[in-house]
Formats: sequence, structure tokens, C-alpha cells
Amino acid sequence: QLQLQESGPGLVKPSETLSLTCTVSGGSISSRGYYWGWIRQPPGKGLEWIGNIYYSGSAYYNPSLKSRVTISVDTSMNQFSLKLSSVTAADTAVYYCARLGCSTSCYFYYYYYMDVWGKGTTVTVSS
Amino acid sequence: QSVLTQPPSVSGAPGQRVTISCTGSSSNIGAGYDVHWYQQLPGTAPKLLISGNSNRPSGVPDRFSGSKSGTSASLAITGLQAEDEADYYCQSYDSSLSGYWVFGGGTKLTVL
Repeated sequence: QLQLQESGPGLVKPSETLSLTCTVSGGSISSRGYYWGWIRQPPGKGLEWIGNIYYSGSAYYNPSLKSRVTISVDTSMNQFSLKLSSVTAADTAVYYCARLGCSTSCYFYYYYYMDVWGKGTTVTVSS
Repeated sequence: QSVLTQPPSVSGAPGQRVTISCTGSSSNIGAGYDVHWYQQLPGTAPKLLISGNSNRPSGVPDRFSGSKSGTSASLAITGLQAEDEADYYCQSYDSSLSGYWVFGGGTKLTVL
């Protein structure tokens, strides 16, 4: 059974870089046909997509965050990571990692959806 | 303000049928991109409920169904149960800007 677990500091200072890692167990991050993504949820608010990455390294980012976001993959560790620079209080949220799969038209990346989620980790931006 | 518009809240009594709408535009749902639905129980991570507009993953009761038409999609829940009380999110893909995955603002379902 595939499981995803987020890890990283729960408190980050304003203007610094938020760094999180998602460890995949029960399956290989190098499996063809899956993307790996990050989604966040500010307190009391809805979900916001941050970005996705394929095991080969090709990534897609939310245009509103693109200048500050880097997602990378480490196939040897079966992990993928998120870095968000120049954080402010607005970046305070629960951060989820997820696997993206598809059922039809899998050749096209935009048909992929979040089919397995991690439990999430809370990150607070405060001095 | 979300690209996909959902009602903030809906409610229904046990056993009733409720629907949650998700309204988009010509750059997302109307462009033919699939709509997916997620259920988020209080204090937990979202869970995939419906994929590809109307497909239920294994383990999801057939009380949940999805549909899509034009620039909108809907999630229907029949035979409402107390454990259905949760937040529900629609999600699709938007081709504007450089293209990105988008979520609706979420709908809080209250079982009366």
C-alpha cells in the first residue's frame, strides 16, 4: 500500500526558504505513469496546487508561485522535495504531498489527478 | 477567488440527496479537461472521491456520483449519512497562463 509522508521544519522565519521532503513508501517514485505533487491549505481556507514533478525531473509549477518554487526528485532515496523561497505569513499552511495518477488519456499530463495523499504537515511562517 | 466556483455550503437531512456544483470557464472545464472531486473529513487530508468526471475509485460508495456538462460539473450524494459531513473540492486543469491545476474553493456539507 503506497504511503506518503511529509517532513520538515514546522516553523520558518519570514524571508527565509521553506524546505519540505516527501518520502514515498510501498512503491517506487520511479514508476512510470505517475507524477508527484505538492498542495497547500492555509488555515481555514481551500486547497492550492503548488507544483508537480515526474521522476525524470520535468516539473510544472503554479504560475502565481513559480518565481519562488523549486520541486526536485531523488530517486535513490524515493523522495521528492519542495523549496519555497522568500516566505511571508501568507505561506503559513498545511502542506500536502500527493501522487498523481490517471485512468485514461495518460499520455497527456493534464489528465492526472491526486489519487494518494500524505497526511500533511503544518508550516508556520513567523519570526 | 478560485478559478472554479463552488457554493460555500450545502446541507441536507439523513437519507436525502444533495448536489454540489462546480462552475468553470472555457479555459478549464469548458475546454474539455476532466473534473475530479475530493472529500476532506474534519482534520484529515483530502481523499479522492471521483476521478475523470464520473469514475469512482475502489472503495467509494455508489451513493457518490459525478457528472460534467459544458463549463460545469456536479457531485451528487444520495442517501445522505452523518459521516458524509465534510468539505468537498472539485479540481481540473486550466490552460490559461502557462497551464496549471486548479481547485474549487470548497463546499462544506452539513448533515442536519
